[in-house]
Amino acid sequence: GQQLNQSPQSMFIQEGEDVSMNCTSSSIFNTWLWYKQDPGEGPVLLIALYKAGELTSNGRLTAQFGITRKDSFLNISASIPSDVGIYFCAGQLTGGSEKLVFGKGTKLTVNP
Amino acid sequence: DAGVTQSPTHLIKTRGQQVTLRCSPKSGHDTVSWYQQALGQGPQFIFQYYEEEERQRGNFPDRFSGHQFPNYSSELNVNALLLGDSALYLCASSLDRNQPQHFGDGTRLSIL
Repeated sequence: GQQLNQSPQSMFIQEGEDVSMNCTSSSIFNTWLWYKQDPGEGPVLLIALYKAGELTSNGRLTAQFGITRKDSFLNISASIPSDVGIYFCAGQLTGGSEKLVFGKGTKLTVNP
Repeated sequence: DAGVTQSPTHLIKTRGQQVTLRCSPKSGHDTVSWYQQALGQGPQFIFQYYEEEERQRGNFPDRFSGHQFPNYSSELNVNALLLGDSALYLCASSLDRNQPQHFGDGTRLSIL
């Protein structure tokens, strides 16, 4: 099935460091979302982006919707141990209830 | 306000058997989507139900079928189980085309 290209695949960082990850697609999406998944749980929505060029923050998290509509970036500032988990990007052609196309995820490990 | 709930949390079946997974959407949500998440992968869209009808379908065989009830809850049925059907099955609900999807914690299905 169709998937987005997410990088890096994994990251090992020290507590307090900033983190950047990105997601690219060969197709245009009109909505981009970022989810976090902890072991044994379902994905939890972090940020939703609806307009090309949009920059949105949620606490220490900041995400951007690329101008080309084919990419998105997620930054985490001043990482803490509870940031550990797998981060997924997802795209939609429109939004809301339409099917989500996911990347393979970026696994984040934070060393205290 | 209960979120998306799924049952059972874990299930073990053998090849050739049939399985039914259940999902109750978040209060007020009327649309239910099902995703399959293989180990180390992002979720893959199976299908979506709205007003008791299948509205969208991903690239999954007819062995995968579903149902939505008048109270918006939903079932996912898989017939003639294969080893490759082993995965985490996620249910997501949403209210309308402008609201993002919220996920349950999934059902872990293991095929022996």
